[in-house]
Amino acid sequence: EVQLIESGGGLVQPGGSLRLSCAAAGFTFSSYGMNWVRQTPGKGLEWISYISDSSNTIYYADSVKGRFTSSRDNAKNSLYLQMNSLRDEDTGVYYCADIAAGGIGRGYWGQGTLVAVSS
Amino acid sequence: EIVLTQSPATLSLSPGERATLSCRASQSVSSFLAWYQQKPGQAPRLLIYDATNRATGIPARFSGSGSGTDFTLTISSLEPEDFAVYYCQQRSNWPPLTFGQGTRLEIK
Repeated sequence: EVQLIESGGGLVQPGGSLRLSCAAAGFTFSSYGMNWVRQTPGKGLEWISYISDSSNTIYYADSVKGRFTSSRDNAKNSLYLQMNSLRDEDTGVYYCADIAAGGIGRGYWGQGTLVAVSS
Repeated sequence: EIVLTQSPATLSLSPGERATLSCRASQSVSSFLAWYQQKPGQAPRLLIYDATNRATGIPARFSGSGSGTDFTLTISSLEPEDFAVYYCQQRSNWPPLTFGQGTRLEIK
């Protein structure tokens, strides 16, 4: 059974930092490009980052470029999102998800972790 | 950036009725379109990938059609558990991957 479990969310002040983690199980994590997607009341579902299987290719949405950094450790079956210079509008639920490829056995999402940016 | 526009925003139907949800892309996405279902407090769940293919474990009452810029998700006979929010998402021309704004399917 595929499992994606996010952690690391919480309440942080504007300008602060958080590091999200996503632990993967039940599939060959090292062969999959992975994404971070967030859901906010204002913008709905918003893709924010993609990292390829080998970390050679990383993309970011313009809204987070220069502030967020994606990384992964295939030996630990884990995905990370370092979030710096957080803003009020970064508040939302953050998911790790396999949404950039089609096919059988793809398309899984974690349960999400809540990030709240507020003073 | 490809913009996906879903209609209607809200659809009010009764169990047993047929639901037709629309997703229109601002430019062609070929068949690289997915549909997701989301219930309150849960993550989105993949229903349809590549426009017409049901994901693993998805009931046959869910079907997808379309290509290019116009896509449809059809639920042939609504079950009580189908009332949720539905999103489309394209993976044709990215980054960025983009989502529609969602259609809320509510009980009439």
